[in-house]
Amino acid sequence: GAVVSQHPSWVICKSGTSVKIECRSLDFQATTMFWYRQFPKQSLMLMATSNEGSKATYEQGVEKDKFLINHASLTLSTLTVTSAHPEDSSFYICSAREVRQPQHFGDGTRLSIL
Amino acid sequence: DAKTTQPPSMDCAEGRAANLPCNHSTISGNEYVYWYRQIHSQGPQYIIHGLKNNETNEMASLIITEDRKSSTLILPHATLRDTAVYYCIATLYGGGATNKLIFGTGTLLAVQP
Repeated sequence: GAVVSQHPSWVICKSGTSVKIECRSLDFQATTMFWYRQFPKQSLMLMATSNEGSKATYEQGVEKDKFLINHASLTLSTLTVTSAHPEDSSFYICSAREVRQPQHFGDGTRLSIL
Repeated sequence: DAKTTQPPSMDCAEGRAANLPCNHSTISGNEYVYWYRQIHSQGPQYIIHGLKNNETNEMASLIITEDRKSSTLILPHATLRDTAVYYCIATLYGGGATNKLIFGTGTLLAVQP
């Protein structure tokens, strides 16, 4: 149980394009979803928290207009990296949790911007 | 959330118990201790969590000191597949953003054959 699926697992695109990453909870209803970013040889950094049906809460220093988060249903959240540039290349990981349960993580999306 | 301190790396022989320490001396009374691990190039995997009592599940045991200022994660019979970075995180237990996990640098556990 508690499976979180992330898609795509890797993506390569040109600078200036927008990229959408999906995060789905497959066997539970995720009242809260989280998005993290991880650069090589560094730890995970929390970007934002989203509750179903409401606006995401972004951590300090994370540009909300750059990283658009939508949590439209209890099983799906999306992260869109708008006008991506090489410095946005990173490993993006989502997690999901239902009420009073631990967070469970997806396997991440490796994003490379050329 | 309380800050946690972990050794940067540890070695363990395959088949032996791996004991990973974590210091959380500023933990508050309503903060839980969570353990996750991250195998290279994958998302973190939940292991176990606890408040003050020792906990055990199919993956590991969690021993929390009586004063709650430190804890130890025990993998009873480590295998090569347990090689990973292990994160100890102290956070509130509840709904919404109160359970957000702030990752430190963790402990890289290397299980040796």
